[in-house]
Amino acid sequence: EAGVTQSPTHLIKTRGQQATLRCSPISGHTSVYWYQQALGLGLQFLLWYDEGEERNRGNFPPRFSGRQFPNYSSELNVNALELEDSALYLCASSLAFVTYEQYFGPGTRLTVT
Amino acid sequence: AQSVTQLDSQVPVFEEAPVELRCNYSSSVSVYLFWYVQYPNQGLQLLLKYLSGSTLVESINGFEAEFNKSQTSFHLRKPSVHISDTAEYFCAVSQNSGGSNYKLTFGKGTLLTVNP
Repeated sequence: EAGVTQSPTHLIKTRGQQATLRCSPISGHTSVYWYQQALGLGLQFLLWYDEGEERNRGNFPPRFSGRQFPNYSSELNVNALELEDSALYLCASSLAFVTYEQYFGPGTRLTVT
Repeated sequence: AQSVTQLDSQVPVFEEAPVELRCNYSSSVSVYLFWYVQYPNQGLQLLLKYLSGSTLVESINGFEAEFNKSQTSFHLRKPSVHISDTAEYFCAVSQNSGGSNYKLTFGKGTLLTVNP
């Protein structure tokens, strides 16, 4: 069974640009989560999508947004990139009613110059 | 609100030595507890979890962790480590109540380095 996949593996952008990161969950999983792993800040919860709806978000500004498609894949958009947005962005998925048991993808390394 | 403290940011050990990675948490409600492992340049892998029942949980590769409610701890142990265990280990907690159990709160991580 395929795990959570993310693309691209690496992404280099300049300050002020927009970045789009993609995630495909494990087959059968309807919930998708996004986390940011920045140096010195650890892993922080960003967003949770389930059945196409944003269910909750962490303490991040509105320029971090996303969506979930009918096939449960998800996209994270980061607008007006800032240098401190450089981080590893991890996507995780879970079954609908087992939201605490999350399986992670390999991540997208975003570098903002 | 909940929080996780991993007391050691780095733990160097020699191969075949025992190791303990410490994790303490705080929460106003009961919790689920997890250990994740992150190998270099990879994502997180679920190593083991405590949901309920026996307080001692084991992974398939020889790690174990014990939930201690009175000490609010979930330390990870292995009696004999291998070079291949070199990785960063994250302790995580989620609330065991209502609609709040989606959010994993992670510790800062412990880098385990196994030397020959």
